[in-house]
Amino acid sequence: EIVLTQFPGTLSLSPGHRATLSCRASQNVDSRYLAWYQQKPGQAPRLLIYGASNRATGIPDRFSGSGSGTDFTLTISRVEPEDFALYYCQQYAGSPLTFGQGTKVEIK
Amino acid sequence: QVQLQESGPGLVEPSAALSLTCTVSGGSMSGYYWSWIRQIRQPPGKGLEWLGYVYYSGSTNYNPSLKSRVTISVDTSKNQFSLKLSSVTAADTAVYYCARAPGYASGWSHDSWGQGILVTVSS
Repeated sequence: EIVLTQFPGTLSLSPGHRATLSCRASQNVDSRYLAWYQQKPGQAPRLLIYGASNRATGIPDRFSGSGSGTDFTLTISRVEPEDFALYYCQQYAGSPLTFGQGTKVEIK
Repeated sequence: QVQLQESGPGLVEPSAALSLTCTVSGGSMSGYYWSWIRQIRQPPGKGLEWLGYVYYSGSTNYNPSLKSRVTISVDTSKNQFSLKLSSVTAADTAVYYCARAPGYASGWSHDSWGQGILVTVSS
């Protein structure tokens, strides 16, 4: 099983600042099979990025993804108030499909 | 725009089977993979766990950690797919989501989700 480790666990920052979230895999992940999700309290996760760097439909361009191999990054260029939430990475390069444990982006 | 809605009992007794149904509206099930994912409600985190998926044709793939207890099936005539989890314990208490994955083209990311249903295992 591929284990995804996300860091930091919590990211505290002010609106307008840049957020950099990391996802590290226990073994190589084909970037085609790495995705990022946003989850707000009481809601289902929402797809942000697929294929490591492709924005899903309707996702603002302040969200971007990058990375390869075992290290992947989600960047929010300027955090808006509605971006404070939990973020998860997901892989399906190897079965079973797994998720990271999440990074919480909170208001500083 | 496709919508997914979970339904089923919110309370299940220990050792019984948990059965949920996901109804798909606003789109066809053809060509997609349909997953069940749960979110355990316990500290320190509320991690996401993939239980398995069913392809619209009926083929399945399950998480090995639960494989002996999980069955996922599809009924395209009703635009529904279902989850059965046998021999449940308190550790199976979670919010259960159904979700759609376009498959290879999107790297098996899940682009549509139901709102989730809380299932509590308790006597």
